[in-house]
Amino acid sequence: DAGVTQSPTHLIKTRGQQVTLRCSPKSGHDTVSWYQQALGQGPQFIFQYYEEEERQRGNFPDRFSGHQFPNYSSELNVNALLLGDSALYLCASSLERGGDEQFFGPGTRLTVL
Amino acid sequence: QKEVEQNSGPLSVPEGAIASLNCTYSDRVSQSFFWYRQYSGKSPELIMSIYSNGDKEDGRFTAQLNKASQYVSLLIRDSQPSDSATYLCAVNRWSTPLVFGKGTRLSVIA
Repeated sequence: DAGVTQSPTHLIKTRGQQVTLRCSPKSGHDTVSWYQQALGQGPQFIFQYYEEEERQRGNFPDRFSGHQFPNYSSELNVNALLLGDSALYLCASSLERGGDEQFFGPGTRLTVL
Repeated sequence: QKEVEQNSGPLSVPEGAIASLNCTYSDRVSQSFFWYRQYSGKSPELIMSIYSNGDKEDGRFTAQLNKASQYVSLLIRDSQPSDSATYLCAVNRWSTPLVFGKGTRLSVIA
């Protein structure tokens, strides 16, 4: 049973650049949520995708955007990177009709210089 | 604003002891409660979920929920050095985003 996968593992960018992070949900799951985790903090919700649409969004600027594909995989895009965007980006998958348990992928560590 | 509060620790317990981790939340209509374990440099791993008042046991782990007091806890019996990690409490209503606490760092001393 394949778990949640994310790519890349690590990424280094400079201020002003753009980045795309990718996520494949756990087999059988149809909902993908993205979180940002700064050092020493709990994960903060960015947005959630279901049926290829953004269903809910946290308190993040429009520089953060996403997409979900027909196979349920998802992308997170961040434009005009700031130093403060350096964090661990986590993708979590769940089943819409399966309760609220969310399972995290290994994360992508983004460093903005 | 919905908040989840946890003592940041570190909580140090000797090997074999019971570790008790606590969490309070502000949203009275929260319905789902989760405990995640996060090792340093790794992603959170779901270890317990609880939805009803009372206790729920799974191996060495027991989650306790008291909705009237807006309080959820995690007990780890027979603590092992491998339990040393940060434990994150997360709360939500049905189909809303998880709200996480900042986590409690647990250190089990051999």
